[in-house]
Amino acid sequence: GDSVTQMEGPVTLSEEAFLTINCTYTATGYPSLFWYVQYPGEGLQLLLKATKADDKGSNKGFEATYRKETTSFHLEKGSVQVSDSAVYFCASTGTASKLTFGTGTRLQVTL
Amino acid sequence: EADIYQTPRYLVIGTGKKITLECSQTMGHDKMYWYQQDPGMELHLIHYSYGVNSTEKGDLSSESTVSRIRTEHFPLTLESARPSHTSQYLCASSELGPQNTEAFFGQGTRLTVV
Repeated sequence: GDSVTQMEGPVTLSEEAFLTINCTYTATGYPSLFWYVQYPGEGLQLLLKATKADDKGSNKGFEATYRKETTSFHLEKGSVQVSDSAVYFCASTGTASKLTFGTGTRLQVTL
Repeated sequence: EADIYQTPRYLVIGTGKKITLECSQTMGHDKMYWYQQDPGMELHLIHYSYGVNSTEKGDLSSESTVSRIRTEHFPLTLESARPSHTSQYLCASSELGPQNTEAFFGQGTRLTVV
């Protein structure tokens, strides 16, 4: 079945550091790919998405490129801020349009 | 701003009680979902619905039940709560469209069964 694998956390970075959170997927067909963010005590919010190969999703300085050849959708940000501290979930939709989530990666950004 | 609401936000209840977690959305979405979230963050799909009178079990077996009598409302019920049901429950909705359709999440209900 469909699955999403993302790097385990927690990831701890200093403010203004470069961020990469790895995500790979397995799916039949051509899934759409998403990054969601969950701030403490809140539900999930869509951060960005990409719907076909080579698409780049971007929002709030975060970017991720849909790489079909490596089945990856890594999240990147050039300069993180303390306010980016949250849990990040990679997700795909495939079979029956059900969202499949990765296990989540906690990011902690310190001053 | 997502228009999907969950109540209550927090609930502490004794073992054996019947509880209903409410989820409502005002976006007219056909698809709705319930996820259970571990303390370790992982999300597990426990129920979903494609529309009125449609309910399906998710990937994780759950003793809870759901109903979908109205498009905007997707309550989750536990007939007899147990400490093992202690968790965060997240409701979500999306349009019944292509697979690139995003899901919108409520703020969650944190349930503690004592």
